[in-house]
Amino acid sequence: DAKTTQPNSMESNEEEPVHLPCNHSTISGTDYIHWYRQLPSQGPEYVIHGLTSNVNNRMASLAIAEDRKSSTLILHRATLRDAAVYYCILRPDSNYQLIWGAGTKLIIKP
Amino acid sequence: NAGVTQTPKFRILKIGQSMTLQCTQDMNHNYMYWYRQDPGMGLKLIYYSVGAGITDKGEVPNGYNVSRSTTEDFPLRLELAAPSQTSVYFCASKGGSGQPQHFGDGTRLSIL
Repeated sequence: DAKTTQPNSMESNEEEPVHLPCNHSTISGTDYIHWYRQLPSQGPEYVIHGLTSNVNNRMASLAIAEDRKSSTLILHRATLRDAAVYYCILRPDSNYQLIWGAGTKLIIKP
Repeated sequence: NAGVTQTPKFRILKIGQSMTLQCTQDMNHNYMYWYRQDPGMGLKLIYYSVGAGITDKGEVPNGYNVSRSTTEDFPLRLELAAPSQTSVYFCASKGGSGQPQHFGDGTRLSIL
C-alpha cells in the first residue's frame, strides 16, 4: 500500500492561512487523497478528499500536485479550534481501507 | 443527530477478562469499521463490514472478533484481554464508495 509522509508538527498564528504538506510519492493512479483531523480526545473528523483536481469545501482547500506525488491542505484562516492532528491518507479505489500514518500536530498560537 | 454511538466510553479490565465494545449508527450506512489508536499513533484497522452479515479482517485482527447481524450495530468482542490491547477504540461508518467515514467518540480501554 502507498504510504504518506507528513511533518510531525507545525505551528501557525491565529487568523493566518495554514499550509499542511503531505508527500505520497508511491501513489497509484486510482488512489484517492483523504484528509481527516482529530481534535483532542475526539474521534477523527473528515476534512476533504480529492483524486486529481484541486478541491474546495467550507472547511478547507486541497491542492494536489500535477504529478500527484504530493498534496497540501490549506486552512484559509486558522482559528484556535483548528488545533488538531491532521492526517493525510490514501485510499485505493478498489479497497475499503484507509491506511493511517501518525499525522501532523497543528498548533495555533493566539 | 446521534451519528455513531460507542459504549462504554471508559473501561478497565483485568487480564483474561472478556468484554464487548458496542457501536451503533443511525445513518443507515452499509460500511462499518473498528480501529484502535495507541498513544501518539495513527489508527489501525481491526475489522470492517460492508453490510449486514459480512465482515472481514483488517490490519490487526488478532485477539478480536466482530459480528454484523443488523445494519445499525457492529459490536467488537475481546475474548481474553491482554495488556497489549490497552488502547482507544474507534468505530466508524460510511455510506458508500467515495463517502467519508463518520467516527464515534471512542472507548478508552485499559487492561491491567
